[in-house]
Amino acid sequence: RKEVEQDPGPFNVPEGATVAFNCTYSNSASQSFFWYRQDCRKEPKLLMSVYSSGNEDGRFTAQLNRASQYISLLIRDSKLSDSATYLCVARLDSWGKLQFGAGTQVVVTP
Amino acid sequence: NAGVMQNPRHLVRRRGQEARLRCSPMKGHSHVYWYRQLPEEGLKFMVYLQKENIIDESGMPKERFSAEFPKEGPSILRIQQVVRGDSAAYFCASSRASGQDTGELFFGEGSRLTVL
Repeated sequence: RKEVEQDPGPFNVPEGATVAFNCTYSNSASQSFFWYRQDCRKEPKLLMSVYSSGNEDGRFTAQLNRASQYISLLIRDSKLSDSATYLCVARLDSWGKLQFGAGTQVVVTP
Repeated sequence: NAGVMQNPRHLVRRRGQEARLRCSPMKGHSHVYWYRQLPEEGLKFMVYLQKENIIDESGMPKERFSAEFPKEGPSILRIQQVVRGDSAAYFCASSRASGQDTGELFFGEGSRLTVL
């Protein structure tokens, strides 16, 4: 079983709409969580951290459910530039080793 | 203010040859991580290094793969006697400390290895 699992998508979203997707993690000892973004064949970049109480960064909202071991990302008012693959990430160790999901592809259409 | 620099960006090798991938971390960063990404798959952790030390190599294949981060110069990921299954994008990332505070790793653009 993969340590971090994501629906690969693609999620086809009209511009201006809202899209949400989850990921699940298998190790209950995971300490912290993040969403990274990866554009086609480019390097991953940190989008946002995920806090226990949930957090928002502009149009992006992240939630963590430790009891069910899943993390969610919601994108409001989608822009064409939001088209990318969103990587769910769990950190197992205090020193920073990150476990990446395979990514969820989002395609925002005009 | 250069980011993480990786080279070569693209490398083609025939089966049995050696591949050397180099990574210079961001200025001020002393922690380097190597990840491998196969087509349609997520990034897989390979190794975590600090200067002159391998901290965690739990993701490294037992044979043919090695990594170093010398006192001077870039970190190097070395793959001996490459096979077709080694074809992948190899990403290097760096962080200032252990990445504990923010979890942010800064990634290079990757080195794409193709084994013929």
